[in-house]
Amino acid sequence: DTEVTQTPKHLVMGMTNKKSLKCEQHMGHRAMYWYKQKAKKPPELMFVYSYEKLSINESVPSRFSPECPNSSLLNLHLHALQPEDSALYLCASSQGIPGNEKLFFGSGTQLSVL
Amino acid sequence: GDSVTQMEGPVTLSEEAFLTINCTYTATGYPSLFWYVQYPGEGLQLLLKATKADDKGSNKGFEATYRKETTSFHLEKGSVQVSDSAVYFCALSDIDDYKLSFGAGTTVTVRA
Repeated sequence: DTEVTQTPKHLVMGMTNKKSLKCEQHMGHRAMYWYKQKAKKPPELMFVYSYEKLSINESVPSRFSPECPNSSLLNLHLHALQPEDSALYLCASSQGIPGNEKLFFGSGTQLSVL
Repeated sequence: GDSVTQMEGPVTLSEEAFLTINCTYTATGYPSLFWYVQYPGEGLQLLLKATKADDKGSNKGFEATYRKETTSFHLEKGSVQVSDSAVYFCALSDIDDYKLSFGAGTTVTVRA
């Protein structure tokens, strides 16, 4: 199994809602990532978990809250988002050796904030 | 800091044409270099990579050579197919760093 599975594929939410994005991998990878991608732009790194500990937080607003319950799962909790947060949210995983790793990406969650 | 500059598109080609996408980088250390591809409606997939100078990465007919003297990692394919239509991202990762620095992306459309 070489897949990273993300759910849901599409999400529409209001600015007062609370929702969660989920990501799962069963490749035994020990690093997991959240990226945000606006249309026709490259992905921007948000968070990195390494061995289930938050390793990188790229100064992301607190309305985005990551969680890594175990080595296979990664969640992104969303609360009080703004319309400008509408984007494709990509999860990725890698073996956990920084520097020259292959990242495996999920297909993403297309988020629309109304 | 580290950065990647890649040729902006869009690029439109006919089938069997030669494709080249230029990519240059700036890095303080000795980065690893990557090309990722994103097909419509999907996440990114690693296309090829090179981890040191003069390494050549290759996959699915695509090639790129890590050129330290010109700080470049240009992507080439000799004969493109319609199925190669996608967005291509050049990226680098410095040693001991989880962060990937992406270029702006190049949209390639191949016409039958």
